[in-house]
Amino acid sequence: EADIYQTPRYLVIGTGKKITLECSQTMGHDKMYWYQQDPGMELHLIHYSYGVNSTEKGDLSSESTVSRIRTEHFPLTLESARPSHTSQYLCASTSLGSEQFFGPGTRLTVL
Amino acid sequence: KNQVEQSPQSLIILEGKNCTLQCNYTVSPFSNLRWYKQDTGRGPVSLTIMTFSENTKSNGRYTATLDADTKQSSLHITASQLSDSASYICVVSDRGSTLGRLYFGRGTQLTVWP
Repeated sequence: EADIYQTPRYLVIGTGKKITLECSQTMGHDKMYWYQQDPGMELHLIHYSYGVNSTEKGDLSSESTVSRIRTEHFPLTLESARPSHTSQYLCASTSLGSEQFFGPGTRLTVL
Repeated sequence: KNQVEQSPQSLIILEGKNCTLQCNYTVSPFSNLRWYKQDTGRGPVSLTIMTFSENTKSNGRYTATLDADTKQSSLHITASQLSDSASYICVVSDRGSTLGRLYFGRGTQLTVWP
């Protein structure tokens, strides 16, 4: 079944830890996105990719980095997590002529 | 500045009642407008998508309208159910770039009480 997956769904870690949030889609979409969303607030684009080996920063400045080595995989990495990184992170994908499909999100809490 | 404003910020209704959510936007050039439903702790799920030439679209008990002249949209929910409790997000896409940039509203938090 075509879908978009994110793991972990919930993550609680201590300050200074390195973390990677996983995102995979089975729809063959070329474009993928990472959004950050705080409670009651709008989604903010932090990274996007047009395809393999293509990554760009979004509107909201983020200390995270992304990679796109395979079409279906778009992981997000924080080298040293801080409490200010506490948020919900949503991954999405789309292709020409289709809407954006969102993953279930990862809720990150940094203590 | 491209913006999407939604009202009300939150809404409480009784099960079985109807409600209407509003969305005003200033995004230009306009490509399409979408309404998403986002359950707590989940990703948004698309309800409707409308282009410039469409002024109404239905998806079951959800009916969206679009007035491209006044740059307003509404989402009407008929005969509400407890499962309708969620945040409803208005998203407008521009056609000024190949990215098809999306502009998100903050959402209307709907609570349906039994």
